[in-house]
Amino acid sequence: DAKTTQPNSMESNEEEPVHLPCNHSTISGTDYIHWYRQLPSQGPEYVIHGLTSNVNNRMASLAIAEDRKSSTLILHRATLRDAAVYYCILRLRGQGAQKLVFGQGTRLTINP
Amino acid sequence: SAVISQKPSRDICQRGTSLTIQCQVDSQVTMMFWYRQQPGQSLTLIATANQGSEATYESGFVIDKFPISRPNLTFSTLTVSNMSPEDSSIYLCSVGTGVDTQYFGPGTRLTVL
Repeated sequence: DAKTTQPNSMESNEEEPVHLPCNHSTISGTDYIHWYRQLPSQGPEYVIHGLTSNVNNRMASLAIAEDRKSSTLILHRATLRDAAVYYCILRLRGQGAQKLVFGQGTRLTINP
Repeated sequence: SAVISQKPSRDICQRGTSLTIQCQVDSQVTMMFWYRQQPGQSLTLIATANQGSEATYESGFVIDKFPISRPNLTFSTLTVSNMSPEDSSIYLCSVGTGVDTQYFGPGTRLTVL
């Protein structure tokens, strides 16, 4: 599996935007970029995924670099509830039913 | 979407004993997975639970230590056998649907004394 690199931790303030980076320089043309997050004492939950174009949903936005070697998860207005570990994961197209390989992720702290 | 429940939610066990963790899904799913999350660490896949056949284990995990059952498309169990304190972890099941999203259960927090 292609590897992703994320900062170990980030900190932001409530109601401010948060940009969580992910590097994936060995990404292949068929890899989708997925983001999951794990809130304290819960299992991971899906956030967003994309291939080439930027994506938006009710939780977040995903900005993908033109060369696809990096991406950024954007939380437009962070709340205390967004404090979690965020995982950037590469997956082949159509492998939604296949296993996930987790890296260490980024621990996001939100200050009130 | 899929709603997943796990039992027990937590347990404290003595070394040398075994614990069976149950995972129930509210709909039929093709793929079910078991993960381990050691304290302060990320998730590591233990095995894929296959319906009607033996589970597929990842490197470093063996059937004798982590036997898995998958009797139907909505249920699976993971047993942690002959436990030691090193087995103290959170154990999570997840399901894969036909599209891109995986759903996770709330986890079972196991402490082995």
